[in-house]
Amino acid sequence: GAGVSQSPSNKVTEKGKDVELRCDPISGHTALYWYRQRLGQGLEFLIYFQGNSAPDKSGLPSDRFSAERTGESVSTLTIQRTQQEDSAVYLCASSPRGSSYNSPLHFGNGTRLTVT
Amino acid sequence: GDSVTQMEGPVTLSEEAFLTINCTYTATGYPSLFWYVQYPGEGLQLLLKATKADDKGSNKGFEATYRKETTSFHLEKGSVQVSDSAVYFCALRSPGGFQKLVFGTGTRLLVSP
Repeated sequence: GAGVSQSPSNKVTEKGKDVELRCDPISGHTALYWYRQRLGQGLEFLIYFQGNSAPDKSGLPSDRFSAERTGESVSTLTIQRTQQEDSAVYLCASSPRGSSYNSPLHFGNGTRLTVT
Repeated sequence: GDSVTQMEGPVTLSEEAFLTINCTYTATGYPSLFWYVQYPGEGLQLLLKATKADDKGSNKGFEATYRKETTSFHLEKGSVQVSDSAVYFCALRSPGGFQKLVFGTGTRLLVSP
């Protein structure tokens, strides 16, 4: 079966431009998480979706970052007016409906964003 | 809040050497603990997990034991291979709230022939 799919796999953009990153979770997975991995650092939590609502946006670093999810499926992370410090790998993860904290998250391969 | 601390890398070993990567955690509740691995050019994969004290997770020759008394979850392998070269992340997930995974900073392992 298909895993978590993210696109594009790589994105190079100029400082000040907006970018959209896409995540297709595993079918039937209602929980969706976005993380950011800066070079040489751990994974930072950005936002959590349960269905189409986002009860936890506490990790979004600034108001330039936003995310939405539709149809309990695809999610889009948007970064406006990109800055060089936004350069990172952006990872998406999902987990099934009703899964508990004992269950792992399933990760995509990420989008590597480079802001020049 | 919850946090995970891992030993810094890179860890450089020769093939067939013994591996330990230390991981300790701080959590307000009683979390589940995970090790994830990221091979070069690939995404994060679950390596093993443990959900309660004294549980041992194991996979591909790797083991880690949930030690509540020392709040640790050290990763071990008796004999590493070149193919084990990767970045290893310790993580926890606590009950309640939104159950997000909290990660350590990762430890890069380099195994030479």
